[in-house]
Amino acid sequence: LAKTTQPISMDSYEGQEVNITCSHNNIATNDYITWYQQFPSQGPRFIIQGYKTKVTNEVASLFIPADRKSSTLSLPRVSLSDTAVYYCLVGPRGSSNTGKLIFGQGTTLQVKP
Amino acid sequence: DAGVIQSPRHEVTEMGQEVTLRCKPISGHDYLFWYRQTMMRGLELLIYFNNNVPIDDSGMPEDRFSAKMPNASFSTLKIQPSEPRDSAVYFCASTSGAGPGSYNSPLHFGNGTRLTVT
Repeated sequence: LAKTTQPISMDSYEGQEVNITCSHNNIATNDYITWYQQFPSQGPRFIIQGYKTKVTNEVASLFIPADRKSSTLSLPRVSLSDTAVYYCLVGPRGSSNTGKLIFGQGTTLQVKP
Repeated sequence: DAGVIQSPRHEVTEMGQEVTLRCKPISGHDYLFWYRQTMMRGLELLIYFNNNVPIDDSGMPEDRFSAKMPNASFSTLKIQPSEPRDSAVYFCASTSGAGPGSYNSPLHFGNGTRLTVT
């Protein structure tokens, strides 16, 4: 499985755009990239998933360059409620492989007023 | 959809006691996972089931831990005897089997059981 590296922590202010980059230099051809968000006292929650280029949903955007060795989660105009831990996971397709996905330490995002 | 339901939310017990954590997955999901989260080790996969059958239990720390899934709507994680180092938040998650060649169905987590062993 591809090892991922992401910043331990980030600070931002309300209304700003936040970009969290995850490095995954040894990503395999059949790997996809998934991001989860975890609030205190809750389980992680799926945010977004992608394979290449750009994916956007109502919560975030995911940018993946052509070489796929990194990915960037973009949160537009964050609010205090976006304060959470964000995890980048990289792994092969298929639900049978879900159990092999590794949650690292994640990036703790602190949004300040 | 009520989501993944775990009980109890909090459990405080004394060392040596048996602890049973419970999980009800989302209806229709055929994969169920048990995770443990601590500050030191982060989120670790303990065991997962597919169609009620344990597939990979290599993350179970030792024989004191056991997990069962008697039917598609219920699973338990038991610790006997419990020790202080078992103190953690235990999460259950479920997903549907999209099959090979498809994007993974995302994991749906419960809100966890915070276990404190004194």
